[in-house]
Amino acid sequence: AQSVTQLDSQVPVFEEAPVELRCNYSSSVSVYLFWYVQYPNQGLQLLLKYLSGSTLVKGINGFEAEFNKSQTSFHLRKPSVHISDTAEYFCAVSDENDDYKLSFGAGTTVTVRA
Amino acid sequence: GAGVSQTPSNKVTEKGKYVELRCDPISGHTALYWYRQSLGQGPEFLIYFQGTGAADDSGLPNDRFFAVRPEGSVSTLKIQRTERGDSAVYLCASATEGTLQDGYTFGSGTRLTVV
Repeated sequence: AQSVTQLDSQVPVFEEAPVELRCNYSSSVSVYLFWYVQYPNQGLQLLLKYLSGSTLVKGINGFEAEFNKSQTSFHLRKPSVHISDTAEYFCAVSDENDDYKLSFGAGTTVTVRA
Repeated sequence: GAGVSQTPSNKVTEKGKYVELRCDPISGHTALYWYRQSLGQGPEFLIYFQGTGAADDSGLPNDRFFAVRPEGSVSTLKIQRTERGDSAVYLCASATEGTLQDGYTFGSGTRLTVV
């Protein structure tokens, strides 16, 4: 079984500043890693995913994440945020044994201020 | 349809009542999932359908919860004898295949409030 820890529940950030959202996971087998974004009153939208290959993954809206196997982390970054990035962000993991279902972290609320 | 549709978007029910939540997946998607998102938490897996059959229902919390997908498209999540602890947003997702390598698309959810 796997678990996901998102280390920050709330991240306030000024517009055009960089942001990093931290995610650590635990699993005894190979994993697939995901970041989802949830805007107010909307469904979850996939930002990016790591399945294999390059550990630096680029996603939509200028986000990227780096898979670090030794540190069991998958931190999400954006070099310059916009007001429209205000949302809740979820890190999720799946493993090779149950590659159809996700285990989610508790989420990080990002609030971008002008 | 263009996306995953869930109805109703909001449901308020009294403790002890029965409720049904509906999910209309993207046309042609064979895989369908239900997740539950309680306040302040990430979504938790409930059940996975491949076609008409439940391939994994290990996330259903107890026997008050049941889900069906009789024709391999629309799914209904059924909750009997609702309790206040059942209050949450129930999310549905669908995918072309069962594995996450293809990604899946979430609906906007049904917010269930048990009073």
